[in-house]
Amino acid sequence: EPEVTQTPSHQVTQMGQEVILRCVPISNHLYFYWYRQILGQKVEFLVSFYNNEISEKSEIFDDQFSVERPDGSNFTLKIRSTKLEDSAMYFCASSEDRAFNQPQHFGDGTRLSIL
Amino acid sequence: RKEVEQDPGPFNVPEGATVAFNCTYSNSASQSFFWYRQDCRKEPKLLMSVYSSGNEDGRFTAQLNRASQYISLLIRDSKLSDSATYLCVVNIGSGGGADGLTFGKGTHLIIQP
Repeated sequence: EPEVTQTPSHQVTQMGQEVILRCVPISNHLYFYWYRQILGQKVEFLVSFYNNEISEKSEIFDDQFSVERPDGSNFTLKIRSTKLEDSAMYFCASSEDRAFNQPQHFGDGTRLSIL
Repeated sequence: RKEVEQDPGPFNVPEGATVAFNCTYSNSASQSFFWYRQDCRKEPKLLMSVYSSGNEDGRFTAQLNRASQYISLLIRDSKLSDSATYLCVVNIGSGGGADGLTFGKGTHLIIQP
C-alpha cells in the first residue's frame, strides 16, 4: 500500500536554529498538509498546500513557518527560528482530492526536540 | 476553528466485549467525518469515514447524527489489538481547496485479556 514518508524520524535542534522537515506524499495525491501534535495533546492543523500554493493555514502557522514543494516529490516544512514550544511531533499528510471528499493519509511523523 | 469533544477515557474493556464511543462537534457546517486510530507515539491511521446513513466495516460501525451533531463508533467482539486511542475527526470544509482537519483529543481504549 502506498504511504507518506517523512524524514528525519527525530530531529534535535538548538533553540533559534532553522529546521527543515521533509515529506514525500503519496505519488498520485494532489493535496498536502502539515499537522503537529504536542506531547499529550491533540493533533493540530498547520497548513495545507495545493497547486504550488498555500490553500489554508491555521493561527499556529505564523511567519516563522514556511512550506515548499521544491521538486515533483518532496514537500517541506521549514521553521526559521525554532522556539522551545515548537517541540512536537510533526505529521505530513496527503489526499487524492480535497479533504471534503477524501480522507487524509498520514506519514509516521518527525519528532522535533528543541533544546 | 470549532472544537470536537470526546470522552478521554480510558475505557477498560474485556476482550470480546462491545464498546461504543461518542463524539460531539460544535460547527453545524461540518462537511465530513472520520474515525482515526492512533497508537502510542505513532501517526493517526484512518479507521473509517462516517456517512450520514451510517456505515459498517467488519466489527466497526459508525453513525452520524447531524441534528444532534454527534458521531459514534461501535466496536464489536473487541480484540487485544484494538487497544489504541480513537480520534474523532471533522472536516469543516471552509476552504476552497485543501481543508485542514479538526481533531478531537481522542478516547483511550484498553482491551484486557
